[in-house]
Amino acid sequence: SQTIHQWPATLVQPVGSPLSLECTVEGTSNPNLYWYRQAAGRGLQLLFYSVGIGQISSEVPQNLSASRPQDRQFILSSKKLLLSDSGFYLCAWSEAYRRPQHFGDGTRLSIL
Amino acid sequence: AQTVTQSQPEMSVQEAETVTLSCTYDTSENNYYLFWYKQPPSRQMILVIRQEAYKQQNATENRFSVNFQKAAKSFSLKISDSQLGDTAMYFCALNSGGGADGLTFGKGTHLIIQP
Repeated sequence: SQTIHQWPATLVQPVGSPLSLECTVEGTSNPNLYWYRQAAGRGLQLLFYSVGIGQISSEVPQNLSASRPQDRQFILSSKKLLLSDSGFYLCAWSEAYRRPQHFGDGTRLSIL
Repeated sequence: AQTVTQSQPEMSVQEAETVTLSCTYDTSENNYYLFWYKQPPSRQMILVIRQEAYKQQNATENRFSVNFQKAAKSFSLKISDSQLGDTAMYFCALNSGGGADGLTFGKGTHLIIQP
């Protein structure tokens, strides 16, 4: 069966520091991969999605970036974190276009 | 642009009762997919049910069923025989494709099942 791993579960970072969140999927090949952010009291907002290695689409302009160095690895990064980057970040995967998306356990990011 | 609206920020019902969560959406696409996700206090997002817009029959998954009204752009979730474990945030989501493959989420409904 397919599983998705996301880490770390919790992260506290100072303003201006770099960020790297990692997500990996097991049990499937060539999945579609997604990064979402959930601000407090709100629904999820799509940040990035990828349909293959090196293919990244950005949905929201921001100081975050994403990369897909391997088929089942998706990384969310920032060179300098802002206070507004605080939130709950979720990685998700799907088998193909418009198939149901399955989520990881999320990373709670706090910026001080 | 597509939007999803959940007008009930919070609902509370007694265990074993039936509850209906509302969701309306807007999209210019004719072929799209709708989902309900559950987010318990653990924060994990769990797929509850999905509906394909071209299918007229309402989807059902055990105690969960939807009332899909395409003309009205309405997609409500009914939970029958509610259980304490159903307590969670429930999010309605839309995937209408186009250039992107992400989900557009509503702001969620916090459902509380009382013992």
